[in-house]
Amino acid sequence: ETGVTQTPRHLVMGMTNKKSLKCEQHLGHNAMYWYKQSAKKPLELMFVYSLEERVENNSVPSRFSPECPNSSHLFLHLHTLQPEDSALYLCASSQDLMDRVWEQYFGPGTRLTVT
Amino acid sequence: SQQGEEDPQALSIQEGENATMNCSYKTSINNLQWYRQNSGRGLVHLILIRSNEREKHSGRLRVTLDTSKKSSSLLITASRAADTASYFCATDSGTYKYIFGTGTRLKVLA
Repeated sequence: ETGVTQTPRHLVMGMTNKKSLKCEQHLGHNAMYWYKQSAKKPLELMFVYSLEERVENNSVPSRFSPECPNSSHLFLHLHTLQPEDSALYLCASSQDLMDRVWEQYFGPGTRLTVT
Repeated sequence: SQQGEEDPQALSIQEGENATMNCSYKTSINNLQWYRQNSGRGLVHLILIRSNEREKHSGRLRVTLDTSKKSSSLLITASRAADTASYFCATDSGTYKYIFGTGTRLKVLA
């Protein structure tokens, strides 16, 4: 256990559905991240939050909508997804963004399948 | 764009042997990190090496960094079946963004 939990672990949704992924960190960190991991592709950074403020939106389609209500929780709201959005979605946290030398703690991921 | 690229893409060895993976990157970095990912799970941080360091050890792990060649290597000594996983390097360029490679899939045969 890394102190970062994600729910659900698996999700199958149709293209017209609306669902949300949840991430919670118990480490007292100030920064949280969403990554997308597709087969045979590098990990893609999607969003970065620092102290609940979004500091990075890495050209992600608007059908992905992040929300960070506090420094411990991060959501990824999904709507009208495409089959190519099927992937493992990983949440991570780190102590801070101010200190540039930090490690990230990852959750176990949500395996998303869009049908 | 800057990216860590691991080599080889896949590696299969016998238990007890050493495993070496390499990472190459394109632009100057402040530090480089190695992560491990078990199948379908999140990544676990293994070791961080700063740009002014040449070698670091952590247990059975040894990481080297050659900034002149823009490359790093991860050596796992006396491998175990439990070391079977994908290994990723992640590089930064002074911002909070880390760029991950596609990983090396290591299989250790018992």
